[in-house]
Amino acid sequence: KQEVTQIPAALSVPEGENLVLNCSFTDSAIYNLQWFRQDPGKGLTSLLLIQSSQREQTSGRLNASLDKSSGRSTLYIAASQPGDSATYLCATIDMEYGNKLVFGAGTILRVKS
Amino acid sequence: DGGITQSPKYLFRKEGQNVTLSCEQNLNHDAMYWYRQDPGQGLRLIYYSQIVNDFQKGDIAEGYSVSREKKESFPLTVTSAQKNPTAFYLCASTAVGVGNQPQHFGDGTRLSIL
Repeated sequence: KQEVTQIPAALSVPEGENLVLNCSFTDSAIYNLQWFRQDPGKGLTSLLLIQSSQREQTSGRLNASLDKSSGRSTLYIAASQPGDSATYLCATIDMEYGNKLVFGAGTILRVKS
Repeated sequence: DGGITQSPKYLFRKEGQNVTLSCEQNLNHDAMYWYRQDPGQGLRLIYYSQIVNDFQKGDIAEGYSVSREKKESFPLTVTSAQKNPTAFYLCASTAVGVGNQPQHFGDGTRLSIL
């Protein structure tokens, strides 16, 4: 059974700092890995989706990498801004259950101005 | 604009009462999902449906029921059998059979016990 873990659980950084969020998964036979952002009281917004054949994906100041062999993904945020403050979740697809997503518990990020 | 609409945003349930959460999508997606989110935990799957008139239980289906009579709609009923219903409920949808596609989420319904 796939399990997804995110470290750290919470992170507080000053504005402008580059930061890395970590995601690990127990079953390396993944179809893809997705990073989401969740603002308080809101639903999830998809940030980046990395297919199993890819090593990384980039969108603006965000870069997500995937290393299937070690069961890890990282989300790199460059030049962080207070508007980046949110909870970041990673998830992989479980193909045996109708493409359901298996989520980590998330990292709560606070960027201080 | 295409998207997923969940209603209501906040819902209160009395003891012994069934309540229904609405989820509607206009993305023409075949697959729809209901997740439950508790503080400090990741999302857990309640039910999912990949086609109209068919649905399957997820990891925590006990105390919940769903229907999928229309492609656009996937309502979730929280029954009185669910003893700990207080949580944030999220509905999602995705296309089926078109390769890697991200799941789209609604803005959620927060359910509390009166």
